[in-house]
Formats: sequence, C-alpha cells, structure tokens
Amino acid sequence: SQKIEQNSEALNIQEGKTATLTCNYTNYSPAYLQWYRQDPGRGPVFLLLIRENEKEKRKERLKVTFDTTLKQSLFHITASQPADSATYLCARGGANNLFFGTGTRLTVIP
Amino acid sequence: SQTIHQWPATLVQPVGSPLSLECTVEGTSNPNLYWYRQAAGRGLQLLFYSVGIGQISSEVPQNLSASRPQDRQFILSSKKLLLSDSGFYLCAWSGVRGQETQYFGPGTRLLVL
Repeated sequence: SQKIEQNSEALNIQEGKTATLTCNYTNYSPAYLQWYRQDPGRGPVFLLLIRENEKEKRKERLKVTFDTTLKQSLFHITASQPADSATYLCARGGANNLFFGTGTRLTVIP
Repeated sequence: SQTIHQWPATLVQPVGSPLSLECTVEGTSNPNLYWYRQAAGRGLQLLFYSVGIGQISSEVPQNLSASRPQDRQFILSSKKLLLSDSGFYLCAWSGVRGQETQYFGPGTRLLVL
C-alpha cells in the first residue's frame, strides 16, 4: 500500500534551535507533499507545498526539502520559538483527496 | 476571501441518538468538500468527500452518512450513535483538483456517552 509516515510521535527542542521533522513515503512517487500545522482543538492549517522537482522551499523561518531518492521530506523550523509548539502533519495527494501522516508533536522549551 | 464554518463546536450525545453536523463554505464555488474524524492523539481519518452536489464518496464503512444538498453545504449524519463515534470531526474544502491544498474548519468535538 502507499504509505506516508511520520515516525516521530513527539519532538522536544530548546528555544532558538532548529527543529527538524521527517516524513517518509513508500511504494509510490508523489507529485508533491504538503505540510500543515495543527494546534490543540483546532483544524490543521496549510503551511507549505513542495513539488517533486523542487529540492527545497522556504517561507520565513520554515524550510521544506524533498528527496525523491530517499523518499523523504524534511521540515525545518529555524530559530524555534515556544509559539511554534504544535503538531505538524505531512500529506500526499490521492485521486481526489489528501492522505495525512499521523503527525509529530513539537514542543519548544523556553 | 473564503471561510469555512462548522457547528456545533461541541456536542455531547447519548449512545443511540441521531447526529447532524453541518459545514458551510463561503467565498468559493464548486469546492471539493471533505469530512475527517480525528480520535484523541490519532491522525486524520477521511470519512467522506464530495466533488459536487449529491455526489458523495465514502472512504470507510460505518454508521455515518454524508449529504451535500447545496454547493457549499456538507452534512454529516448518523441515525444511531455508537461510543466509538466520539472524536473531533473536521470539515475541509479544496479546489476542484482534489490534491490541492485543503482548508479546514474549526471542528466539532463529539462525545458519545
């Protein structure tokens, strides 16, 4: 089956450091991957989309990479802040919808 | 700009009672619409999606159903709730190409007792 996996359920990091979250996919080659942020009790919010022919994409302190050889996307938050604490979800496209990973809960410690 | 509304925000229902959750979208036409469920500490489970009025695709067998009576209205229903129906229900919309970015509503927290 075509899987998308976020192996780290939780990640704790010190404020000011770079947080790196991983998303792996198997048995297919997605045209693009998306990253969302979800705060407790809220719906996910779209952050970034990266296409298979893009190695890297940036938005302010966020950076996403797409490695088709490793079948992996990395999501980086530089100069992390306590306000970055949330669950981050990656998603791949299906025929008419998106399939989401289970998410990584990031906690930035002051 | 586009907005998506869901109500109610919170709902406590007894086992065996009916359910109706409503989702409406403003500021866009002919969106794809989605219902997800998220159990505590779990990922998003796609329940239903719709590409047009009256067109519903079900992703998982269950005692829930969905309807799309109008272009920008999506309803999730059940005739008899089960304890396992408890969870956080999210509605989302996207452009006509289903793989595009999805925009989520605020969610409904359902507790079945």
